[in-house]
Amino acid sequence: SAVISQKPSRDICQRGTSLTIQCQVDSQVTMMFWYRQQPGQSLTLIATANQGSEATYESGFVIDKFPISRPNLTFSTLTVSNLSPEDSSIYLCGHRGLYEQYFGPGTRLTVT
Amino acid sequence: RKEVEQDPGPFNVPEGATVAFNCTYSNSASQSFFWYRQDCRKEPKLLMSVYSSGNEDGRFTAQLNRASQYISLLIRDSKLSDSATYLCAVNRGRDDKIIFGKGTRLHILP
Repeated sequence: SAVISQKPSRDICQRGTSLTIQCQVDSQVTMMFWYRQQPGQSLTLIATANQGSEATYESGFVIDKFPISRPNLTFSTLTVSNLSPEDSSIYLCGHRGLYEQYFGPGTRLTVT
Repeated sequence: RKEVEQDPGPFNVPEGATVAFNCTYSNSASQSFFWYRQDCRKEPKLLMSVYSSGNEDGRFTAQLNRASQYISLLIRDSKLSDSATYLCAVNRGRDDKIIFGKGTRLHILP
């Protein structure tokens, strides 16, 4: 699997602001994904980041709240907009192997 | 019914014991099945894929029961280092996205 890095690793943000998370893969990958893991919960797929086109969002997630960019085959960003305490979570990017999912180290977001 | 369900535990098991986890899935069209391990404050890491015929990797054995729509993970001769949360994952079927259970917490006791 490709090596995935994320920045920042953690952040504390005030409500109403936004945070942009960067995800870098060390080789070109076709599919990149963004997941959220809220405290004590499992991973929930937010969206698929598509290179050259708009992201595909899962039910319950919208572009205005979670805009995503995918400018090339190794990089993607997720912005969490208009932050509220309910957005406090770990956000993970990932890519697919042949069938399985691989993850970056995650970004731990705390909203105060 | 949730798409992927697991017993959240925690399972508190003495070192050296055998422990088994089950995971049920709701979509009969799912074709790919996985077990992940997640350590505290870390990302999930693939432990093993689960094949129709069942598969074994050292102390770990995974099995799939399509008729009853569940997968299982057996850990033999458990070690302290096996303490973690174990997540099962399946592909959704209709679009091949991977969805996860909530995970089962395992504590191996010395």
